[in-house]
Amino acid sequence: KAGVTQTPRYLIKTRGQQVTLSCSPISGHRSVSWYQQTPGQGLQFLFEYFSETQRNKGNFPGRFSGRQFSNSRSEMNVSTLELGDSALYLCASSLLASGGGSHEQFFGPGTRLTVL
Amino acid sequence: GESVGLHLPTLSVQEGDNSIINCAYSNSASDYFIWYKQESGKGPQFIIDIRSNMDKRQGQRVTVLLNKTVKHLSLQIAATQPGDSAVYFCAESPANQAGTALIFGKGTTLSVSS
Repeated sequence: KAGVTQTPRYLIKTRGQQVTLSCSPISGHRSVSWYQQTPGQGLQFLFEYFSETQRNKGNFPGRFSGRQFSNSRSEMNVSTLELGDSALYLCASSLLASGGGSHEQFFGPGTRLTVL
Repeated sequence: GESVGLHLPTLSVQEGDNSIINCAYSNSASDYFIWYKQESGKGPQFIIDIRSNMDKRQGQRVTVLLNKTVKHLSLQIAATQPGDSAVYFCAESPANQAGTALIFGKGTTLSVSS
């Protein structure tokens, strides 16, 4: 079974631009979560989608948004990029059913975003 | 705020030794805990998990211990190998939070020398 895939793997943008990152979960997984990883702040939760609905959101500004499609693939968008947005963006998928079940999340390799 | 932290940022051991990585969590309402391993250039990889109704869980060469009294979590790796060198994160899932959001600690870098 293929793992979580993320595209692109590396991206360089300049301040003020916007960026869209893509995540394909493991087949059959309906939950997709996004995390930002930086050396200073570690891994921080951005948001989670389940069945095309955002179920949970972390403490990030509105410039960070996401969506999920009917095939469970997810995208996240960052508008008006700032230097501090440079990070590894990780996507994780889970089988989690509403109300319980395994929380085990399977992570993709991440997209390394550099903002110049 | 609510966060999960690790006691030591780095740990160096010799091949064959047993390693113990510690983690303290702050949210007594958390009911699910996970250890992840992250190698350079890769995403975190699930190692082992434990629910709050358990004190100990064993996997292959790994054991997770949960002490709810002092809100402490530890990961024990038996017969540590060079391939175990990585950053280890503990994470918690607060019971009062919908979905699968995880709160991660800062991580401990394990270095195994042969």
